[in-house]
Amino acid sequence: AQTVTQSQPEMSVQEAETVTLSCTYDTSENNYYLFWYKQPPSRQMILVIRQEAYKQQNATENRFSVNFQKAAKSFSLKISDSQLGDTAMYFCAFMKHGAQKLVFGQGTRLTINP
Amino acid sequence: ETGVTQTPRHLVMGMTNKKSLKCEQHLGHNAMYWYKQSAKKPLELMFVYSLEERVENNSVPSRFSPECPNSSHLFLHLHTLQPEDSALYLCASSQGGDSGNTETQYFGPGTRLLVL
Repeated sequence: AQTVTQSQPEMSVQEAETVTLSCTYDTSENNYYLFWYKQPPSRQMILVIRQEAYKQQNATENRFSVNFQKAAKSFSLKISDSQLGDTAMYFCAFMKHGAQKLVFGQGTRLTINP
Repeated sequence: ETGVTQTPRHLVMGMTNKKSLKCEQHLGHNAMYWYKQSAKKPLELMFVYSLEERVENNSVPSRFSPECPNSSHLFLHLHTLQPEDSALYLCASSQGGDSGNTETQYFGPGTRLLVL
């Protein structure tokens, strides 16, 4: 069974700083997908970024980028120029290729301070 | 309406009540999901419907009964719940099913359920 671990329950940074959230996972699969979702206080779960395991290039979406280390089974999220609106719970998630089951980590509560 | 919507947003019910949660997706997807989010626990997948057929039941107690009448609507019928069932119930949808593709799941805002 796959597991996803987020070792940082909470993080806090100042506005405009860069912050990196950690995620590790355990799987015997070779073909899979990794996701970062954001859940602000409104509770809506919003997709931040997605990475296909077969792609060596790290995914980027504007201020959000990942550092995908397949051999190390690590998938960290970097938020550059952080904004107040980035305050949220961030969840790392794993999905085996062809499957429909997302396996989530415990989440990291990120606070951006003015 | 766009995306995935859920009603009601908040629900308080007694242990003997019967209620239903509703989810509707406006994305043209063919797979829908129910997740449970409890305090201090990772999100747990409850049910998966693909092309209106249930393809996964993740060991969920029978007091939770899903229904998927068509590809746009998903219900979760609740009866004789326990206080420990209080949680945020999230619905999601994706374009997947028999295509074998792994598609991103898009979530609704959730229903906050409190069982007294």
